[in-house]
Amino acid sequence: GQQLNQSPQSMFIQEGEDVSMNCTSSSIFNTWLWYKQDPGEGPVLLIALYKAGELTSNGRLTAQFGITRKDSFLNISASIPSDVGIYFCAGQLPGANSKLTFGKGITLSVRP
Amino acid sequence: DTGVSQDPRHKITKRGQNVTFRCDPISEHNRLYWYRQTLGQGPEFLTYFQNEAQLEKSRLLSNRFSAERPKGSFSTLEIQRTEQGDSAMYLCASSFLLTLYNEQFFGPGTRLTVL
Repeated sequence: GQQLNQSPQSMFIQEGEDVSMNCTSSSIFNTWLWYKQDPGEGPVLLIALYKAGELTSNGRLTAQFGITRKDSFLNISASIPSDVGIYFCAGQLPGANSKLTFGKGITLSVRP
Repeated sequence: DTGVSQDPRHKITKRGQNVTFRCDPISEHNRLYWYRQTLGQGPEFLTYFQNEAQLEKSRLLSNRFSAERPKGSFSTLEIQRTEQGDSAMYLCASSFLLTLYNEQFFGPGTRLTVL
């Protein structure tokens, strides 16, 4: 099936640093969403993007919907310890009738 | 709290037993989704409902799996004759159809372990 590519699998940063994560696909997506998941919990929606080129912020988070509609990035500025978790990108394919396709996630560690 | 809720949070069962999970969506949401997540992977779509109608099923949903949403509110996911490969986190999400946007909100999940 369709896949979203997230790499690297893990990222390690120092508290206060900025971090950027990419999500790419060989297919065009209509919608991109970014979720954060803590161990043993469900994913929590961070940001949703609906138009190519759209740049959206939510506090220290900024995400962009790539102009080609095949990629998106998420930026976290001034990281804090509670940013630790797994970050997933998810997309909706044209005509997919609302189901989401997820990447494998990036595990973020923040050193105090 | 008006978020998506799931019950139970954890279920341990023996191979061959049947299990049933429940999901209560956000109250005004008319779309409800089931996903499965295994270790180190993102959630994978299983099925979704619009009101009480089941509109799509993934090929991941074998004939041992059945989902219902009888009154367009809560949903149940039943797995018959469980196998060890069914061990996973089962996630439910909901969204509101009449917006232009597909913001799906997830519950905390049910962790299934099949011994």
